[in-house]
Amino acid sequence: NAGVTQTPKFRILKIGQSMTLQCTQDMNHNYMYWYRQDPGMGLKLIYYSVGAGITDKGEVPNGYNVSRSTTEDFPLRLELAAPSQTSVYFCASSSILWGAGYGYTFGSGTRLTVV
Amino acid sequence: AQSVTQPDIHITVSEGASLELRCNYSYGATPYLFWYVQSPGQGLQLLLKYFSGDTLVQGIKGFEAEFKRSQSSFNLRKPSVHWSDAAEYFCAVGATDAGNMLTFGGGTRLMVKP
Repeated sequence: NAGVTQTPKFRILKIGQSMTLQCTQDMNHNYMYWYRQDPGMGLKLIYYSVGAGITDKGEVPNGYNVSRSTTEDFPLRLELAAPSQTSVYFCASSSILWGAGYGYTFGSGTRLTVV
Repeated sequence: AQSVTQPDIHITVSEGASLELRCNYSYGATPYLFWYVQSPGQGLQLLLKYFSGDTLVQGIKGFEAEFKRSQSSFNLRKPSVHWSDAAEYFCAVGATDAGNMLTFGGGTRLMVKP
């Protein structure tokens, strides 16, 4: 049972390059999320999805895009990488029964550096 | 909108000493509250959660937390810290509307002295 899988684990990008961070979950969770983590700032929500075909912006969406074509996959796209996007990115998922106590399941993170 | 404040950015305790990490939240309704732990280079692991009922909740690794509505707090405690507890700890409040989103505090980094 893999849970939430993120790839790659590490990546260095040059300014202006594009890339996609992959996130896959095998728990049939409806809700999926992308967070970024910066030192001392906790985790900030970038985008989230409540089901296939439905996405919405979080607190810090600028410079990112997402899609949710299947329940399992929730990729995060950076179109024109900027140094401000240097961060650790976490994908998470939760069941629609979240309120009953299931919480989030997190991936292991992607450490991205933009130079 | 909900928010979470963790007033202590860094805390250092001696091994075997007791620990309390502070968390204050702001949320208009009854909150769902969580504590997560992150070891270096790792993802976040759920320590414990409060949804309703008994205000003192027990979690994994010997941690507990107490929900105090009057103080809008959800402090994390452990009676005796082990060196392996050195990590970063995040408090989070959850909303049950608009996608079950969690809002995280800035984190507290715990260091343990031998």
